[in-house]
Amino acid sequence: DAGITQSPRHKVTETGTPVTLRCHQTENHRYMYWYRQDPGHGLRLIHYSYGVKDTDKGEVSDGYSVSRSKTEDFLLTLESATSSQTSVYFCAISGLDRRMNTEAFFGQGTRLTVV
Amino acid sequence: AQKITQTQPGMFVQEKEAVTLDCTYDTSDQSYGLFWYKQPSSGEMIFLIYQGSYDEQNATEGRYSLNFQKARKSANLVISASQLGDSAMYFCAMREGYTGANSKLTFGKGITLSVRP
Repeated sequence: DAGITQSPRHKVTETGTPVTLRCHQTENHRYMYWYRQDPGHGLRLIHYSYGVKDTDKGEVSDGYSVSRSKTEDFLLTLESATSSQTSVYFCAISGLDRRMNTEAFFGQGTRLTVV
Repeated sequence: AQKITQTQPGMFVQEKEAVTLDCTYDTSDQSYGLFWYKQPSSGEMIFLIYQGSYDEQNATEGRYSLNFQKARKSANLVISASQLGDSAMYFCAMREGYTGANSKLTFGKGITLSVRP
């Protein structure tokens, strides 16, 4: 199994509070991503990183920020949580396998509820 | 327009039979990659198979194979000899452009597969 750990796994927070989700990898992969999963939408990209301190926006980035100070850690922050950000959040990493094919693995997910 | 389309309603298959899950995609890039993931009721996303647009042969991984028809822009997942543990949601996803290890993915909405004993 790919070494990706998300924390926390579950969180309930109040509207207006900041929330930070952590993604930690042990694969030394350069690329890391945050997605959210909502019914009827599949997974949608929030932000991604292509190296330490190098990040960019995805499809649904409003209300979110990210930081990557080390290769192994990618943080997602909800600056002021809203009910529309209630979702399941997945971290992913990608690299090349032994056959030089792209591989992309996901963490276990974080279920966030904003009340 | 959707880039990844998965339109099948919930799918049912008898144990030990084969099943095909449909996926069509839309891109103007010549270089791209296609992925399939399995999401069981426990919620994790499990990588199943990858097909690059320049790969001449269809990808296979154990009981999973990808029926890649480039001209039709389809990338159907075939599961042979279905098992009860195959019951899950299945997602097709695409990475556009040649970016090597970079995999910004666009996902379809998923297909639910139920395997009957």
